[in-house]
Amino acid sequence: GQSLEQPSEVTAVEGAIVQINCTYQTSGFYGLSWYQQHDGGAPTFLSYNALDGLEETGRFSSFLSRSDSYGYLLLQELQMKDSASYFCAVRGGSQGNLIFGKGTKLSVKP
Amino acid sequence: KAGVTQTPRYLIKTRGQQVTLSCSPISGHRSVSWYQQTPGQGLQFLFEYFSETQRNKGNFPGRFSGRQFSNSRSEMNVSTLELGDSALYLCASRKDRGLLNEQFFGPGTRLTVL
Repeated sequence: GQSLEQPSEVTAVEGAIVQINCTYQTSGFYGLSWYQQHDGGAPTFLSYNALDGLEETGRFSSFLSRSDSYGYLLLQELQMKDSASYFCAVRGGSQGNLIFGKGTKLSVKP
Repeated sequence: KAGVTQTPRYLIKTRGQQVTLSCSPISGHRSVSWYQQTPGQGLQFLFEYFSETQRNKGNFPGRFSGRQFSNSRSEMNVSTLELGDSALYLCASRKDRGLLNEQFFGPGTRLTVL
């Protein structure tokens, strides 16, 4: 079967750096995506990694290591507005469908 | 550019009924995906449509179905509703195929089954 593991909660202070990890188990792997969702809002696409390495988009970076079945989302210069849930998603399995992690709730404190 | 729109935003149904939800993608986007989000199961992929054809389907029973029209608008239908179908149903659109590529979500339809 397929599974994704990510921490349920992370707390950090404004201006700091936080890393949200995601480990996955899937037969067949096409890539890993990250989403942000504020309470009461819809998910917003953040990034997509198909190959190993780091992808940077402004304050957010995402990393993938296919050999370790592991990825992470790095948020720098944290702002209060970054308080949200972050989901990793993997496309894999025999049908190449998309599965999501349970989400990591990030709380940014002043 | 208008975003993804979903109608209705809220819906209350009773067990055994059926429901149809609608999604209008961003203009020019040809791919529409549907998701179910619940507190217990989290975010789950339902299906993806591209050029009026279902391209991928998640692990949901046959009571969940969908279709896409020639203008890329999409509908999903749930028949014989169960209490467990209460959820936020989200649709998302993207320019082309590729479940991992950037996609834009609508605000969702909150379905409550009594």
